[in-house]
Amino acid sequence: AQKITQTQPGMFVQEKEAVTLDCTYDTSDQSYGLFWYKQPSSGEMIFLIYQGSYDEQNATEGRYSLNFQKARKSANLVISASQLGDSAMYFCAMSFSGGSNYKLTFGKGTLLTVNP
Amino acid sequence: DADVTQTPRNRITKTGKRIMLECSQTKGHDRMYWYRQDPGLGLRLIYYSFDVKDINKGEISDGYSVSRQAQAKFSLSLESAIPNQTALYFCATSESWTGRNEQFFGPGTRLTVL
Repeated sequence: AQKITQTQPGMFVQEKEAVTLDCTYDTSDQSYGLFWYKQPSSGEMIFLIYQGSYDEQNATEGRYSLNFQKARKSANLVISASQLGDSAMYFCAMSFSGGSNYKLTFGKGTLLTVNP
Repeated sequence: DADVTQTPRNRITKTGKRIMLECSQTKGHDRMYWYRQDPGLGLRLIYYSFDVKDINKGEISDGYSVSRQAQAKFSLSLESAIPNQTALYFCATSESWTGRNEQFFGPGTRLTVL
């Protein structure tokens, strides 16, 4: 069964510093996609970044980058130069190929707090 | 204007009442989803629809029903609400042709069942 694990319930970072949010996954599929979503206190789910399992380079979107280590089955999110507005809940999610390709499986999230 | 909208944004209801949550999208996506979010449990899939005539149960469909009235509209009903259905409900959309299954979420509906 496919599973996403986020082992950090909460993380703290100082403004302007970088922070890494951990995500590991378990699947026997060769083709899959990895996503990170941000959920601020207002509640909406905001897509941040995507990494395909066959992508050779790590994905980057502005201050967000995804550290993809396929052999270790990890897909950590790196936020550079943290800002106060980055304080939010962050979810790692995964989609799969084949018959279950409709589905996003989510981790339980990491609450990031950026301190001034 | 938001691409995925949900109404109502907040709702308080009583046990046993029927309630409908509505979702509309202007993204032109063919796939639509309903999730619920509970503290500490992440998001769980209730129902999903690949097109107007294709509706499927997700992992926690008991106590819920859905209707896909048009490609752009997907509603979720609680036939007889119970307190453990108190949660944050999200509608999401995606398009099948990309293969990425990137899902775009509405703003959420906060439902409280007393």
